[in-house]
Amino acid sequence: GAVVSQHPSRVICKSGTSVKIECRSLDFQATTMFWYRQFPKKSLMLMATSNEGSKATYEQGVEKDKFLINHASLTLSTLTVTSAHPEDSSFYICSATPPTWYQETQYFGPGTRLLVL
Amino acid sequence: KQEVTQIPAALSVPEGENLVLNCSFTDSAIYNLQWFRQDPGKGLTSLLLIQSSQREQTSGRLNASLDKSSGRSTLYIAASQPGDSATYLCAATQGGSEKLVFGKGMKLTVNP
Repeated sequence: GAVVSQHPSRVICKSGTSVKIECRSLDFQATTMFWYRQFPKKSLMLMATSNEGSKATYEQGVEKDKFLINHASLTLSTLTVTSAHPEDSSFYICSATPPTWYQETQYFGPGTRLLVL
Repeated sequence: KQEVTQIPAALSVPEGENLVLNCSFTDSAIYNLQWFRQDPGKGLTSLLLIQSSQREQTSGRLNASLDKSSGRSTLYIAASQPGDSATYLCAATQGGSEKLVFGKGMKLTVNP
């Protein structure tokens, strides 16, 4: 199956700093990528939809100025958590959809665990 | 707005049992419904995808069914094994888009 990678897999940062997470589709071009966050023992919550070459669409309640998303190419989307605070600590997962998304699953990355001290 | 529910939240069974995991969704206008597995601290592994026009999909010991009229899907696991222990997530597309709405998952423990 298709492969989606995330980097880093784990990051610890100090409160007030910014953290960038990369999501790459390794063997297909993804016109759309999604960013989710998952709190412990909770389900995945969609944060934003990232489309190559255009501005991301954020879900209600997600601060676009805090979670900056850039989808610069068909294989790379980045999520930057700006001025991170302890409450931003979470598991962030990206997914990418191939052009035939209605017939195929979204392909999920392995996730990035962020801990803000 | 699509809502996906999985009940129960957790299940513990002895090895060898056949299992049925339930998922319900509120909006039947879906493109597809998917079942995923998540191991602790890990990302998601896709298990089965059922398109809107399909009634079921099978992969090995897994069988997933879809009944749009009742807003339900079930994941059947035959002859469960300890290696099946994980959290199983159901997700349905929302509003004619590719966005997925996830249930809260069901944590399965299969005891040897």
